[in-house]
Amino acid sequence: EPEVTQTPSHQVTQMGQEVILRCVPISNHLYFYWYRQILGQKVEFLVSFYNNEISEKSEIFDDQFSVERPDGSNFTLKIRSTKLEDSAMYFCASSPDTDTQYFGPGTRLTVL
Amino acid sequence: QKEVEQDPGPLSVPEGAIVSLNCTYSNSAFQYFMWYRQYSRKGPELLMYTYSSGNKEDGRFTAQVDKSSKYISLFIRDSQPSDSATYLCAMTGGAGGYQKVTFGTGTKLQVIP
Repeated sequence: EPEVTQTPSHQVTQMGQEVILRCVPISNHLYFYWYRQILGQKVEFLVSFYNNEISEKSEIFDDQFSVERPDGSNFTLKIRSTKLEDSAMYFCASSPDTDTQYFGPGTRLTVL
Repeated sequence: QKEVEQDPGPLSVPEGAIVSLNCTYSNSAFQYFMWYRQYSRKGPELLMYTYSSGNKEDGRFTAQVDKSSKYISLFIRDSQPSDSATYLCAMTGGAGGYQKVTFGTGTKLQVIP
């Protein structure tokens, strides 16, 4: 069964550094998403991406964040200058339409 | 009032019990309702989704939606230790449209052998 994959599984970085989190969505899906989950808290929507542009974003997704689909298979989330409060699990998801979303295993980001 | 309310638990039941998990929501624009299962430090796994009021059954799982009461439920029959996980209700269709999924905080379930 096709799955969303994410790399790396764990990323440790220093405050102020840039990080890029990578995702490979399910191949025939058209919509792509990033969510985050701070430890012990709920899963929160960050951004959705369709037709090579951002279609929706939350108030969390500020100028420090950007997304890109650099080729036909990868979908990336970049955080330009990480803060301590960016430490969280980041989940990528994809969907064939606007209904059900399928999540990847997540990347644990630790900002020191 | 939070958009989606879910009792965090933990909920502990003996193996074979029927489990009832619930969420309430305040945004009447929500149209699409989902249940995800999340194991510790893993991504949410889609269990079931429904688009309207009523019941939907899939094996041991039954999802129920009552839009008039803004209340959704997930029932697990013959619960197994492998069902031990956090169950997240989720919904779309509010002001964020259908692409932004709003999650509950999750209910942690433990099924004791």
